[in-house]
Amino acid sequence: QVQVVESGGGVVQPGGSLRLSCAASGFTFGTYAMHWVRQAPGKGLEWLAVILFDASNQHYAESLQGRFTVSRDNSNNTVHLQMNRLGTEDTAVYFCARDHSPWGTARLDYWGQGTLVIVSS
Amino acid sequence: DIQMTQSPSSLSASVGDRVTISCRASQSINSAYLNWYQHKPGKAPNLLIYAASSLHSGVPKRFSGSGSGTDFTLTISSLQPEDFATYYCQQSSSPPLTFGPGTRVEI
Repeated sequence: QVQVVESGGGVVQPGGSLRLSCAASGFTFGTYAMHWVRQAPGKGLEWLAVILFDASNQHYAESLQGRFTVSRDNSNNTVHLQMNRLGTEDTAVYFCARDHSPWGTARLDYWGQGTLVIVSS
Repeated sequence: DIQMTQSPSSLSASVGDRVTISCRASQSINSAYLNWYQHKPGKAPNLLIYAASSLHSGVPKRFSGSGSGTDFTLTISSLQPEDFATYYCQQSSSPPLTFGPGTRVEI
């Protein structure tokens, strides 16, 4: 069955960096776009980024101001989110989700359970 | 950016009730790109409805969606205990992808 599992969360100091990973299984990973979405405490879902099936293009939420970078390794069925210059506002559960299409048309049909990132001194 | 609003923000209901959640977009969107998700605390969000009215695989038939233009609706025909959760609409008709603020369904 389709599975996506996030990892790499933890506690990081303000201004620090963290790299999240998402391991996918149960489908042909290299034929689907992948997204990152987060949920801050007590808040709703916020879309962050998408990477197309072949990594040819990535798109980001403007609010990230260039601090985050999404990448993927189709040989290892993984997608990553590199997060730099973290602030307390980045404290959230980070979800990885599969797009039903290669082109990121944004029907997010399978999600992981998320990994918690806490930015605190 | 297209802003999504939902009403109500929360509701109390009982098992067996018919529940309706509204979602409004700040401008007209292509209904092919309007989706609904269910999210329970500590769990993965689940796609319920895509393209405004199509049921995602494995989703019970008590869930249905409708609407077009700027106004969309998610209906649960007979609320079950496992349906207590937060529901989000989401558009991808015009980038960036945006979610509604969510509707919490509680007892």
